[in-house]
Amino acid sequence: DTAVSQTPKYLVTQMGNDKSIKCEQNLGHDTMYWYKQDSKKFLKIMFSYNNKELIINETVPNRFSPKSPDKAHLNLHINSLELGDSAVYFCASSPGPFNTGELFFGEGSRLTVL
Amino acid sequence: GIQVEQSPPDLILQEGANSTLRCNFSDSVNNLQWFHQNPWGQLINLFYIPSGTKQNGRLSATTVATERYSLLYISSSQTTDSGVYFCAVPNNAGNNRKLIWGLGTSLAVNP
Repeated sequence: DTAVSQTPKYLVTQMGNDKSIKCEQNLGHDTMYWYKQDSKKFLKIMFSYNNKELIINETVPNRFSPKSPDKAHLNLHINSLELGDSAVYFCASSPGPFNTGELFFGEGSRLTVL
Repeated sequence: GIQVEQSPPDLILQEGANSTLRCNFSDSVNNLQWFHQNPWGQLINLFYIPSGTKQNGRLSATTVATERYSLLYISSSQTTDSGVYFCAVPNNAGNNRKLIWGLGTSLAVNP
């Protein structure tokens, strides 16, 4: 019974295309996150939503647009993909905002831009 | 902002050996988490440990908040323990409230 699930797990696409990654959590958590992990394994937060409200928005190009239809879902849409967008994108959730409580991750979505 | 340093950056063990990984942080924190990223890329939450000691099987963690460090102990290591171990602490200063991550300890356990 997967706690945080994200789809697709793998994405291979051409530069300039638009793609979306979906995330769902069944833990009843209020807060969800998108992280980007580059090839050097560094984890960088991109966005955080608490109960559908955006609470963290790091310096991310506006080609990246998160959407949270409800507190159990947080999707990430990326427009006009660039080579530098290639990375693994992790969705995560925690019970409350601002890092209160344990953080649980999805399995990651590996995006390759050609 | 708060700094997080992990040591050692890399570690190679023979199966069955014990090891200690360290996480230092530069300011007081109200929680700390340890994660394991396995060779398949999955990020697993190991411990949520603001202070004191917790144990889970062969793994245990101790956080000494007053001295600003945490230790992760791996006993009788197995090849499945290989991967990268991260610690993370919250930066609750001002409006910049996010987790600050260490760069990780990359562990390889050889059979």
